[in-house]
Amino acid sequence: DTAVSQTPKYLVTQMGNDKSIKCEQNLGHDTMYWYKQDSKKFLKIMFSYNNKELIINETVPNRFSPKSPDKAHLNLHINSLELGDSAVYFCASSQYGPRFGYTFGSGTRLTVV
Amino acid sequence: RKEVEQDPGPFNVPEGATVAFNCTYSNSASQSFFWYRQDCRKEPKLLMSVYSSGNEDGRFTAQLNRASQYISLLIRDSKLSDSATYLCVVNDGGGADGLTFGKGTHLIIQP
Repeated sequence: DTAVSQTPKYLVTQMGNDKSIKCEQNLGHDTMYWYKQDSKKFLKIMFSYNNKELIINETVPNRFSPKSPDKAHLNLHINSLELGDSAVYFCASSQYGPRFGYTFGSGTRLTVV
Repeated sequence: RKEVEQDPGPFNVPEGATVAFNCTYSNSASQSFFWYRQDCRKEPKLLMSVYSSGNEDGRFTAQLNRASQYISLLIRDSKLSDSATYLCVVNDGGGADGLTFGKGTHLIIQP
């Protein structure tokens, strides 16, 4: 039973399109995150949600919007996709915040053409 | 500005050897420290937490030096399966903040 699952695993789309990536965790964790890993392999936090409240929003373009219908889900919606959005997006979850580390999903490899 | 610095490598090490690498962090208020492992095209996975007194998990030993703000990872009797990227990770404090990742050190164990 996968602890943190993301869909889709691969996403190829054209510039200007709108797309969503879904994430679900069955660990009962109270905080979920989205990270972006670029071509240089650098992992950078985008958002975190705690009990459906956004508590971090790093310098991410407002074309990116996280949506959390409940504690177990944190989806990422991206409007007007650009070439520079191509990256691997990882969802993660943790209990009691980041003090005890995260569990990551397997990632979504987004390619914008 | 919060930073976690690592030597990107690659470190090419013969099987059975001992290898060590360090990372440094800039925020002296950092509270929690971790080593994550990331295999090619996979997600990062928690390898071990790092405690002030140092800790060991099998062939892996992690140490923290708060005064100098660095963290180390030692791998003894390295195996081919240890080949991966090792990410140094720091929690900068407070439940509202996320983990800050280093760019990783690439380790290649050679037969």
